[in-house]
Formats: sequence, C-alpha cells, structure tokens
Amino acid sequence: QVHLQESGPGLVKPSQTLSITCTVSGASISTHPYYWSWIRQYPGGGLEWIGYIRYSGSTYYNPSLGSRVSFSTDTSNDRFSLNLNSVTAADTAVYYCARGPLTNKAFDYWGQGTLVTVSS
Amino acid sequence: QSALTQPASVSGSPGQSVTLSCTGTSSDVGGYNSVSWYQQHPGKAPHLIIPEVTNRPSGISNRFSGSKSGNTASLTISGLQPEDEAVYFCSSYRSGDTFSAWVFGGGTKLTVL
Repeated sequence: QVHLQESGPGLVKPSQTLSITCTVSGASISTHPYYWSWIRQYPGGGLEWIGYIRYSGSTYYNPSLGSRVSFSTDTSNDRFSLNLNSVTAADTAVYYCARGPLTNKAFDYWGQGTLVTVSS
Repeated sequence: QSALTQPASVSGSPGQSVTLSCTGTSSDVGGYNSVSWYQQHPGKAPHLIIPEVTNRPSGISNRFSGSKSGNTASLTISGLQPEDEAVYFCSSYRSGDTFSAWVFGGGTKLTVL
C-alpha cells in the first residue's frame, strides 16, 4: 500500500518561502512510470494543481504559478519537496502531495494534507 | 473561480440516484478522455473514484459510474447511501497553445437526505 505524508511549517510570513516535504512509503519515487504531484486546496474548497516531478527527476509546473515554485527530490529517502517563494495570504491552503498523474490521467494516492497559513 | 464548472450542491434520498455534472471546454473535458472524479469527506484528502471518464478502480463500488458528452462529464451515484454524503470534485487535463495543466472543478456538495 502506498502512503504519502506531508510535513510543513504551519505558518509562514508574507514574502518568505514555503517549504513542504512529502515522504513516500510503499513505493519508490524514482520508479518508472510514476509522477508525483503537489496539489493545494484553498479555504473555500477549490483545488489547484501545482505541478509534478517525474520518476526521472524532471519537473513541470502549473504556468499559473510562474517562477515562484520549484520541486526537488531526495530519492534515497523517497522524499520530494515543494518550495514556493514570495508567498502572500493568497497562498494559504492545505497542501497535498499525490501520486500522479498516472497513465489514466488521475491521482490515485494522496497524503493527508498539511495546512499552511501565510500571515505576519 | 474554478476552471471546471460544477453545481455547488445536490441532494438525494437513500436509494435514489443522483447525477453530478462537470462542464469544461474543448481544451479540457471535451478534448481528452482524462476526466477523473474524487470524493472528499470532511477533514480528509480527496479519494479517486473514477479515472479516465468511465473507469472504476478496484475497491470502488459499482454504484459509481462516469460518462461524458461533449464538454460535460457526469458522475452518477445510484442507490444512494448515507456514507456517500461528501464533496465530489472533477478534474481534467487541459492543454492550450503554450501550456498544459490539470484543472479541477469547484466541487459539488452531495447531501443524502
């Protein structure tokens, strides 16, 4: 069984960088053909896909976030991380890591999510 | 404002069937067989119930079924049960001239009366 667990700061000040790590168990993040995504859910309930990192380590980001976002991996520990810089209150959300998109274009396993609040 | 349009709420009585809609454009829902549906209970992460418009992963009840016509996808839940009360999100791959992304609907709150 695949399990994902996010760990994040909880509170980030405006203009700073938000960093969250996802630890995967039951699967290797470097195994073909899996992709690994970050998805956030705003307080009003809407979901936004942030981007994915491939099993090869290459990345693709949602163009809506511009150059503020970057991902990294620690393949030896099956972890991948999200960095979002220059945060504002609009970045307050529950951040999920998920496996996918798969060949069926879906996200099949999700972490429990971590709430990040941007506030001074 | 979400990329895909879903009704905010729908309700039904136990045993009834309900259909939830998800409307997009030819750049997403209408252009690809990539619509998926997720069920989210309060305080929990979304859970995949229908990938690729009509498929059903193992472990998902056959009471859940998906379909698509043009730019609108639908999720039908038959034989409503109290545990079906949740928020349901649709998602689709979207591609434009210079970008691609996965987009979501705003979610439909299903109330089982």
